[in-house]
Amino acid sequence: EIVLTQSPGTLSLSPGERATLSCRASQSVSSSSLAWCQQKPGQAPRLLIYGASSRATGIPDRFSGSGSGTDFTLTISRLEPEDFAVYYCQQYGSSRTWTFGQGTKVEIK
Amino acid sequence: EVQLVQSGAEVKKPGESLKISCKGSGYSFTSHWIGWVRQMPGKGLEWMGIIYPGDSDTRYSPSFQGQVTISADKSISTAYLQWSSLKASDTAMYYCARVEYSSSYYFDYWGQGTLVTVSS
Repeated sequence: EIVLTQSPGTLSLSPGERATLSCRASQSVSSSSLAWCQQKPGQAPRLLIYGASSRATGIPDRFSGSGSGTDFTLTISRLEPEDFAVYYCQQYGSSRTWTFGQGTKVEIK
Repeated sequence: EVQLVQSGAEVKKPGESLKISCKGSGYSFTSHWIGWVRQMPGKGLEWMGIIYPGDSDTRYSPSFQGQVTISADKSISTAYLQWSSLKASDTAMYYCARVEYSSSYYFDYWGQGTLVTVSS
């Protein structure tokens, strides 16, 4: 079973700053199987990135994803007030199984 | 427009049964897997299982196998998550999500969530 470990647990930044979130897999995974979603308080998750680097429909280009193998990164180039939320990486495994990371909270400094 | 609309919040007692629903619209319901995800209070997302409404093929996370039952009625474009005997530890928000495919599979649209509270 693949385990996804996200770091840091909490990221304290100011609007306009750059955010770099990490997702590390316990073993190498296909880049196409890695996605990121955002969850704001009281809301359902929203897909941001799929296939490690493809933005979902309607997602601003300040969000970008990269990585391969075991190390993946979500970057928010310039934080907007609405970007303060919790971010989860998710990985599709074999035989229709999924794993989520434990989440990184991006909070206002 | 793709939409997943879930049934409303539930308050139940331990030992009671429950079935919550997720109705899809705006797409071919029988052509996409639907997954269920649990979020316990203040915690992260946990994948529970998925169903393919076209033929009711179902897969469960080992953590949830035997604890819940996932089903679907394609005639009304609705997926279900049910418990036969609830426990206090089932208190959580439950989300359904549509699975899309582009080189691999991912959850692209999510329901609004159903809050289940189990308390004596």
